[in-house]
Amino acid sequence: SQTIHQWPATLVQPVGSPLSLECTVEGTSNPNLYWYRQAAGRGLQLLFYSVGIGQISSEVPQNLSASRPQDRQFILSSKKLLLSDSGFYLCAWSPGTDTQYFGPGTRLTVL
Amino acid sequence: GQQLNQSPQSMFIQEGEDVSMNCTSSSIFNTWLWYKQDPGEGPVLLIALYKAGELTSNGRLTAQFGITRKDSFLNISASIPSDVGIYFCAGQLGNYGQNFVFGPGTRLSVLP
Repeated sequence: SQTIHQWPATLVQPVGSPLSLECTVEGTSNPNLYWYRQAAGRGLQLLFYSVGIGQISSEVPQNLSASRPQDRQFILSSKKLLLSDSGFYLCAWSPGTDTQYFGPGTRLTVL
Repeated sequence: GQQLNQSPQSMFIQEGEDVSMNCTSSSIFNTWLWYKQDPGEGPVLLIALYKAGELTSNGRLTAQFGITRKDSFLNISASIPSDVGIYFCAGQLGNYGQNFVFGPGTRLSVLP
């Protein structure tokens, strides 16, 4: 069966510091991968998606970036965090058909 | 861009009551997904719908893909305390996995 991992689970970072969140998927190959952000009490905002290694599409302009160095690895990064980057970051994968499965999330607090 | 509307935004019900919530859009979708999110966790897929008019059940949950393909409904029967959470709908526009649009969620509270 397929599983999706995210780490770290929680992170507290100062403004201006770099960021690296990692997501990995097991038990499948060539998944579509997604990064979402969820503000407190709000819905899901799609940040990036990837249909293959090195292929990244960005949905909203921001100071975040994403990379997919391996088939089942998706990384969310920032060179300098802003206060507004605080939130709950969710990675998701799709087999490329009609479903999408989420990871456990990373709670990021920028101080 | 495409948007999904969910109603109600929040609801408080007594344990044992039935619950209904819906998701509407001005766009036509090929797939409807319903998720439940517990606090501090990722959303969990409850039901997936792929055909207009389709009615699918998962235990006490039943969801329907609207005939117009612009809406979907989720019903929960005989609610229990663990039904508390946020319920999200998501629609897929095309045949490619990347085009999912999420609603803002319905927050459900169950009173004992």
